[in-house]
Amino acid sequence: ETGVTQTPRHLVMGMTNKKSLKCEQHLGHNAMYWYKQSAKKPLELMFVYSLEERVENNSVPSRFSPECPNSSHLFLHLHTLQPEDSALYLCASSQDPGRPTEAFFGQGTRLTVV
Amino acid sequence: GENVEQHPSTLSVQEGDSAVIKCTYSDSASNYFPWYKQELGKRPQLIIDIRSNVGEKKDQRIAVTLNKTAKHFSLHITETQPEDSAVYFCAARTSGTYKYIFGTGTRLKVLA
Repeated sequence: ETGVTQTPRHLVMGMTNKKSLKCEQHLGHNAMYWYKQSAKKPLELMFVYSLEERVENNSVPSRFSPECPNSSHLFLHLHTLQPEDSALYLCASSQDPGRPTEAFFGQGTRLTVV
Repeated sequence: GENVEQHPSTLSVQEGDSAVIKCTYSDSASNYFPWYKQELGKRPQLIIDIRSNVGEKKDQRIAVTLNKTAKHFSLHITETQPEDSAVYFCAARTSGTYKYIFGTGTRLKVLA
C-alpha cells in the first residue's frame, strides 16, 4: 500500500527492555528520517540519514540509537526508555535536498512504554 | 532555530463551507511548502505542495497560496465534505537541507 513500510505497527515495552523499530523504503530515495509524533505537538525531527550517513541529529537522548545499513533500510534501537517516550514514531524518505519534493511517510509504530 | 506556526489548532465547518488553515515560517530561505493530511490511525499523506517561485496552486477543491514577503502560506478547502475531516499539517523545507519543519497541525471537523 505504501512505498515506506514500518514494523512493528504497535509495540509495548517496559522501561528496561531493548527493542528496535524497522523502516524500509522501495522508492529509490536516498534520504530517510525518523520523526516522533506526540499528542498536541508538531512532528519532531529526530534523525536524518543521507546515503547511509547521519546528517542530522536533533538533540535526541542516547536511549534512541539509529542505524542505517543501506539506503533502503533504517532502524531505531530503543533501550531504557521512559514513559514520556510513548508516541507514534514515523519513518519517512525523500529524494536529495537539491530537489524540493515531498517526504513519504510510513504508517508509523505506536510505541507505549510501561 | 527554524519554526513553523500553524493556526487554528481546531476548526469546525459545516459541510459545503470553506476551510482555511494558515502557517507562518521563520526561515526566509525556505523554498518548498507541502501540506499533509493525516486521518486517524494513518500516515501523513501529501495533498498539495507549492514552491517558492509560485504564488498559488490549485488542485480541484484544494488550493494553497504563498506570500514570500510575509512568510506565510495558507491551505484553502472549498465545498468541504465529511471525508475532509482529518488533521492537516503544513511544513517548510529549505533548499539544500534535509529538514522538513512541521506546524503543530489543525484538526478539521466537517459537520454533516
